[in-house]
Amino acid sequence: QQQVKQSPQSLIVQKGGISIINCAYENTAFDYFPWYQQFPGKGPALLIAIRPDVSEKKEGRFTISFNKSAKQFSLHIMDSQPGDSATYFCAASKGSGNTPLVFGKGTRLSVIA
Amino acid sequence: GAVVSQHPSRVICKSGTSVKIECRSLDFQATTMFWYRQFPKQSLMLMATSNEGSKATYEQGVEKDKFLINHASLTLSTLTVTSAHPEDSSFYICSAKKPGQARDGYTFGSGTRLTVV
Repeated sequence: QQQVKQSPQSLIVQKGGISIINCAYENTAFDYFPWYQQFPGKGPALLIAIRPDVSEKKEGRFTISFNKSAKQFSLHIMDSQPGDSATYFCAASKGSGNTPLVFGKGTRLSVIA
Repeated sequence: GAVVSQHPSRVICKSGTSVKIECRSLDFQATTMFWYRQFPKQSLMLMATSNEGSKATYEQGVEKDKFLINHASLTLSTLTVTSAHPEDSSFYICSAKKPGQARDGYTFGSGTRLTVV
């Protein structure tokens, strides 16, 4: 059972446009929702994360929107650049301490000039 | 910041041999590390949780006798793929969280590309 569902699988955006990636989760015990960026042959790197007590978090061009009642969260990349072309993963974890992250299936973003 | 180093970055081995992958936390002590496997264009799937000084906890469907995990110190966890077969070819990634940090403290290694020929 996919605990975190991510869409779309792939996305092509014009340079300067807005990239939007969506995720939905089932487990209401999840209380931490990060987004990771991964380039080919590299490990994932944390982009931005949110906790369910806020509905939005912005860091530079990256914004997470969180809808607790719908159990959905999304990543918005403003002014998308070719350098943003990568695979993006949403994830979730629960509780405190050392619990592992559960990842979505990923979205391959291509930003074209 | 928290740094996790993974070695080797790439390894090619013959079918039937064993391969060891190391994951080190360079600037912090990690009582727990996580091992993930990622097939091409797929997500990261948790294989096991590595606990310092005790046995690893494996996810359902992961063979503990095939994927040996040792976490002998607070800065090193190793994953040994025993009797490797071509279907074990994958990208293996470790992760650790710096103690005392919020959940943002999850740090990933740069991954190991294993190719079994």
